[in-house]
Amino acid sequence: NAGVTQTPKFRVLKTGQSMTLLCAQDMNHEYMYWYRQDPGMGLRLIHYSVGEGTTAKGEVPDGYNVSRLKKQNFLLGLESAAPSQTSVYFCASLRWTKGDTGELFFGEGSRLTVL
Amino acid sequence: DAKTTQPTSMDCAEGRAANLPCNHSTISGNEYVYWYRQIHSQGPQYIIHGLKNNETNEMASLIITEDRKSSTLILPHATLRDTAVYYCIVRAAGTNAGKSTFGDGTTLTVKP
Repeated sequence: NAGVTQTPKFRVLKTGQSMTLLCAQDMNHEYMYWYRQDPGMGLRLIHYSVGEGTTAKGEVPDGYNVSRLKKQNFLLGLESAAPSQTSVYFCASLRWTKGDTGELFFGEGSRLTVL
Repeated sequence: DAKTTQPTSMDCAEGRAANLPCNHSTISGNEYVYWYRQIHSQGPQYIIHGLKNNETNEMASLIITEDRKSSTLILPHATLRDTAVYYCIVRAAGTNAGKSTFGDGTTLTVKP
C-alpha cells in the first residue's frame, strides 16, 4: 500500500521554466491538497480538490495551476517558475465517510529550487 | 476554517508529560480539532482528533475545554523521538471538509 506518492522528489529549475508535480494516491480518497512549506514556516495551502474534475484555491494560489482529471491524481503546475517558489511541496489526501477519522495522509514532499 | 493560536516553541524533559496548548476561540459547532506532527522534513503525521469529548489513543490524549475554545495535546511520556513540530488545526466534517489550513505550529524539543 503506497499511500500518497509524489514525483519528482527533487527538482532544480531556472527562472521562467515550467514544470508539473504529480501526486498519486491509491486509497480512493475524494479530497486532495497541495501545500508549500518554506524554511522554518508552517504549511500553506495552495490549491485543493474535493473530487474528480474539481479544484479550488487555497491561501496562496498565485503562480500555480492544478488539475484533477483522475480521482487518484492531483497535478500542480508552475507555468513560469520564480525564485519565490523555492519551497518544499507536500501533497495530501483525505477521505471522509462515516466511521473514518478524517485524517490527512501526506506524501514525502517534493523539494523544488528555482535559480 | 477557524484560526488557531499555538506557542512557537516548548521544551520538555524526556520521560515527562508534554502538554501542548492550542487556542481556537472562533471554532464552529461542526468543526473538529485535529493534531498532527512533523518530524524533520517529513510529511505531517496524524496524531489524534476530537469534537467535544476528551480523546485518547496509543500516541496521545486530547483534552478539549467545555466551551471548545481551546485544547491541549498530551504526550504522557515524551521521548527524544517526539521532538517535532506539532500542528493544531480545526476543520469541518464531511462534505464541508474543504479547506484544511495549517498554522506555524509548536516546535517541541524533548531534552535528555
